[in-house]
Amino acid sequence: GAVVSQHPSRVICKSGTSVKIECRSLDFQATTMFWYRQFPKKSLMLMATSNEGSKATYEQGVEKDKFLINHASLTLSTLTVTSAHPEDSSFYICSARASGRAWEQYFGPGTRLTVT
Amino acid sequence: DQQVKQNSPSLSVQEGRISILNCDYTNSMFDYFLWYKKYPAEGPTFLISISSIKDKNEDGRFTVFLNKSAKHLSLHIVPSQPGDSAVYFCAARRMQGGSEKLVFGKGTKLTVNP
Repeated sequence: GAVVSQHPSRVICKSGTSVKIECRSLDFQATTMFWYRQFPKKSLMLMATSNEGSKATYEQGVEKDKFLINHASLTLSTLTVTSAHPEDSSFYICSARASGRAWEQYFGPGTRLTVT
Repeated sequence: DQQVKQNSPSLSVQEGRISILNCDYTNSMFDYFLWYKKYPAEGPTFLISISSIKDKNEDGRFTVFLNKSAKHLSLHIVPSQPGDSAVYFCAARRMQGGSEKLVFGKGTKLTVNP
């Protein structure tokens, strides 16, 4: 159990376009979802925390108008990278938590975004 | 400012021997430390955790040691198996603004050779 899926797994887009990444908890209801970003040879960095039905909380330095997060249901959160630029190219990974402690997060497989 | 550091990007050991993965941290406010394992094309999965008030936690072949004075923790895998080959992330939890946050290291790629 506790499976989290992400779609798409890979996406290539042109500079200036927007890209939406979906994160779904398949067999549990996720009250909280997290979005992380990982640059090559760098750590997983938390971008934002979203609770179902409320606005996401963004980490310092993450532009909320650029990275739009929607957590409209208990099984789905979306991250939209708006007006993407090559420097947004990265590995984006989501995780979902039903309740309990921070490490009881179940991670998706990640999405590789390349902006040309 | 990298608060959780894994200085070894890779480690190679023989099957049956001990694997020791190391992690250092700088923030004294962390109250739990965790290890995650990640296979290619999959998300990280939780492996083991330790509270900052403990110095050891064991779960089967996996043991995590915490040296709070040195701000250092390590994960021991004994005996190592080829299926343990993966990237291991060290993470630390802190409370901020009433919510929990995990801070990750860069990961160490473990290869267990048959």
